[in-house]
Amino acid sequence: EVHLLESGGGLVQPGGSLRLSCAASGFTFSSYAMSWVRQAPGKGLEWVSTISGSGGSTYYADSVKGRFTFSRDNSKNTLYLQMNSLRAEDTALYYCARGLRISSSCFDYWGQGTLVTVSS
Amino acid sequence: EIVLTQSPGTLSLSPGERATLSCRASQSVSNSYLAWYQQKPGQAPRLLIFGASSRATGIPDRFTGSGSGTDFTLTISRLEPEDFAVYYCQQYTSSPCTFGQGTKLEIK
Repeated sequence: EVHLLESGGGLVQPGGSLRLSCAASGFTFSSYAMSWVRQAPGKGLEWVSTISGSGGSTYYADSVKGRFTFSRDNSKNTLYLQMNSLRAEDTALYYCARGLRISSSCFDYWGQGTLVTVSS
Repeated sequence: EIVLTQSPGTLSLSPGERATLSCRASQSVSNSYLAWYQQKPGQAPRLLIFGASSRATGIPDRFTGSGSGTDFTLTISRLEPEDFAVYYCQQYTSSPCTFGQGTKLEIK
């Protein structure tokens, strides 16, 4: 059974940093592109970033480019999202999600999310 | 970026009725790379439909996706109590992938 478990969320001041993790199990981790999708409180879904199965390619939304870094450790089946220069508008529930084999930007499994709150 | 507009914003129906949700794209969604997700309160989204009309694993056949180009529809043939939720469409034909703003399906 596919399982994704996010961690690392919390309260951080504007301009601060946070690192999110997502532990994956139940599938051949390195064979799948993975993504982060966020949801601000009471709002819709916003794609944040995608990483290829090997980790060699990463893609970012314009809203986080230059501030967030997405990486993965295939030996540990774990994803990392390093978030720097955080802003109030980054406040959201952050989900990690697995991409379909046939199309990496369609997400067939999601974690339960970790909440990031940026506030002074 | 492709903007997706979902309608209606809220749909009030009774169990057993048929639900029709619409998703319109600002540009053509090539290859029908359009997905539908269901989200219940406090839960992560769940993939229902991909490729505009293919049901994801374990999705009941009362959920049907259709459409092409710029107009897509999710139909729920006979609503079950567990179907009342928020539904999002998503295009993944071009980067960045984008989501619609959601349709809330509520019990009448």
